[in-house]
Amino acid sequence: GENVEQHPSTLSVQEGDSAVIKCTYSDSASNYFPWYKQELGKRPQLIIDIRSNVGEKKDQRIAVTLNKTAKHFSLHITETQPEDSAVYFCAASEKYNFNKFYFGSGTKLNVKP
Amino acid sequence: DAGVIQSPRHEVTEMGQEVTLRCKPISGHDYLFWYRQTMMRGLELLIYFNNNVPIDDSGMPEDRFSAKMPNASFSTLKIQPSEPRDSAVYFCASRRLAGIPGNEQFFGPGTRLTVL
Repeated sequence: GENVEQHPSTLSVQEGDSAVIKCTYSDSASNYFPWYKQELGKRPQLIIDIRSNVGEKKDQRIAVTLNKTAKHFSLHITETQPEDSAVYFCAASEKYNFNKFYFGSGTKLNVKP
Repeated sequence: DAGVIQSPRHEVTEMGQEVTLRCKPISGHDYLFWYRQTMMRGLELLIYFNNNVPIDDSGMPEDRFSAKMPNASFSTLKIQPSEPRDSAVYFCASRRLAGIPGNEQFFGPGTRLTVL
C-alpha cells in the first residue's frame, strides 16, 4: 500500500513567520492529496487539497505545492497566527480511489505570539 | 445540519467487555468511514461503506472488530472482546457523492475509548 512520510514532527515558529510542512509518498499513481488540521481534542478538518494534475493551489494564507516527479507535496502557511497552532496531517489517496487515504504521522505546529 | 454525530464521546471499559460505538452520518452523504487514531499508529482507516454496503474492510485489525451500517443514517463499530491495545480515539466520517475528488470527508467529534 501507499506509504506517506511527513516532516517535521514538530515545528515552532514566531507569529507572522511562515511555516512549511513536507510530505512524501510512495505510490506514483496516487492522485489526490488533502491536508487536515486537528486542534487539540477536536476532529480533523480539511483545510486544503490538491489533485495530481495541478502543481500548486492557494487559499488565502495557505498553499499546497505538488511535485509528482519527486513524489512530494508541501503545505505552506504564511503570516502565521496563534490560532494556526494545531496538528497538521497530510494524506495521499490510494491509486484510483479518492475514498481511501493514507495519512502522514502529523506535524505539531506551535505559533508563538 | 448537525454534522456527523458519534456516541458515546467517552467510553471506559474493562478488558474482555464488548464495546459498541455509534455514528450518524450527515444526511445525504453516500460514504461512511471509520478511523482509529493513536499516538503510535496515527490516523488509520478501518473500514468504509458506500450506500450502506461495506466496500473495504482491509484496515480492520482483526476478527474482534466488526462494523455494520443497517441504514443510511446509522452505523456501528463493535469490538468484542476488547483489549487494552484497542484504546484509541475512533472517528466516524462521511462524504457526499462518489468519484469526485475534493468532496470533503467530514469527521465526527470522535469517541475516546479506554480499555482497562
